Amino acid sequence: KQEVTQIPAALSVPEGENLVLNCSFTDSAIYNLQWFRQDPGKGLTSLLLIQSSQREQTSGRLNASLDKSSGRSTLYIAASQPGDSATYLCAAVRGDDKIIFGKGTRLHILP
Amino acid sequence: DTGVSQNPRHKITKRGQNVTFRCDPISEHNRLYWYRQTLGQGPEFLTYFQNEAQLEKSRLLSDRFSAERPKGSFSTLEIQRTEQGDSAMYLCASSQGTSADTQYFGPGTRLTVL
Repeated sequence: KQEVTQIPAALSVPEGENLVLNCSFTDSAIYNLQWFRQDPGKGLTSLLLIQSSQREQTSGRLNASLDKSSGRSTLYIAASQPGDSATYLCAAVRGDDKIIFGKGTRLHILP
Repeated sequence: DTGVSQNPRHKITKRGQNVTFRCDPISEHNRLYWYRQTLGQGPEFLTYFQNEAQLEKSRLLSDRFSAERPKGSFSTLEIQRTEQGDSAMYLCASSQGTSADTQYFGPGTRLTVL
């Protein structure tokens, strides 16, 4: 059974700092891994999608890496801004199309 | 195209009533997914469609839940005889057609069962 764990559950950092969010999954037979952002009471916004054959993806100040063999993915946010405050979710997509989400990391950027 | 839309955005109902939610996906997207999210948790997969065919149903989807996508465009999720435990955010997402494609989410419908 695929389980997705995100550490830490919550994080507060001063504005301008670089930070790393962690995601681990128990079954390495994933099809892809996706990172989302969720603002309070809202839907999810896709940030980055990493195919199983890829090692990383970058978009602006965001960089996501994937290590299937160790069952880990990281989301790196450079030069954090107050607008980055949100919950960040990772989701592992299996070959049978099951999408398993972690519980998320609540990020608070302090002005 | 403005993305995935869901209606209503909020629904308050009394226990035992039936409710129906609607999801309009991005127009060229073949796949449509339904998820449920409770406070402090990640979304949980409920079901998904490839065009009008319902391909997968989670065990979370009891007999009181039914989903349709009759013409392969919009979808409805109906909950019969609602229970307080059904209170959650119901999210819809769509993608172009395979598991390799990015899923785009709607704003969700927040259901409160009194």
